[in-house]
Amino acid sequence: AQSVAQPEDQVNVAEGNPLTVKCTYSVSGNPYLFWYVQYPNRGLQFLLKYITGDNLVKGSYGFEAEFNKSQTSFHLKKPSALVSDSALYFCAVRDRASSASKIIFGSGTRLSIRP
Amino acid sequence: DGGITQSPKYLFRKEGQNVTLSCEQNLNHDAMYWYRQDPGQGLRLIYYSQIVNDFQKGDIAEGYSVSREKKESFPLTVTSAQKNPTAFYLCASSTKTASYNEQFFGPGTRLTVL
Repeated sequence: AQSVAQPEDQVNVAEGNPLTVKCTYSVSGNPYLFWYVQYPNRGLQFLLKYITGDNLVKGSYGFEAEFNKSQTSFHLKKPSALVSDSALYFCAVRDRASSASKIIFGSGTRLSIRP
Repeated sequence: DGGITQSPKYLFRKEGQNVTLSCEQNLNHDAMYWYRQDPGQGLRLIYYSQIVNDFQKGDIAEGYSVSREKKESFPLTVTSAQKNPTAFYLCASSTKTASYNEQFFGPGTRLTVL
């Protein structure tokens, strides 16, 4: 069975500082990994994904994520946080070996950037 | 949220009533999904459809029903059998060709039971 964990319900960062939102996963085979962002009362927006190849993936709005197979992690990072980055962030995983289209979402991490 | 529309944005239901949430996409995607979002629980899959006239139960299908008569449309009915329907409902779609394709989400419908 596949699963994904976001160990922090909330992350607080000062504007201009680097930010990290953590994600770990569990799949029987190799994973496809995704990050989404959700602003209040809106749907989710896709940020980036890992399919294969380079472990460092770059996405929208200056975000990047690093795939670490040995630690089964896919942490989201940004070198310099903006107040506008404040939102709810979801990590998601899909087992590469699965023939179904199901994707498993984490419980979400609320990112708060203070001016 | 481009390409996927959900209506209404807010919906109020009396106990014992069935209500239908609309989801339409113009992305020519084969696969469509319905999720329920509750605070602190992330997204839980209700139903999904890979192709017209076919759909599968997700993790929390009890009390819900769907249809997929057209590629563009995937309406969700919340029946009176759903004991705690107050939640934020999200519709999504994706291409079917490979499982690494991301999902595109609609803006959501917030359902409240009075």
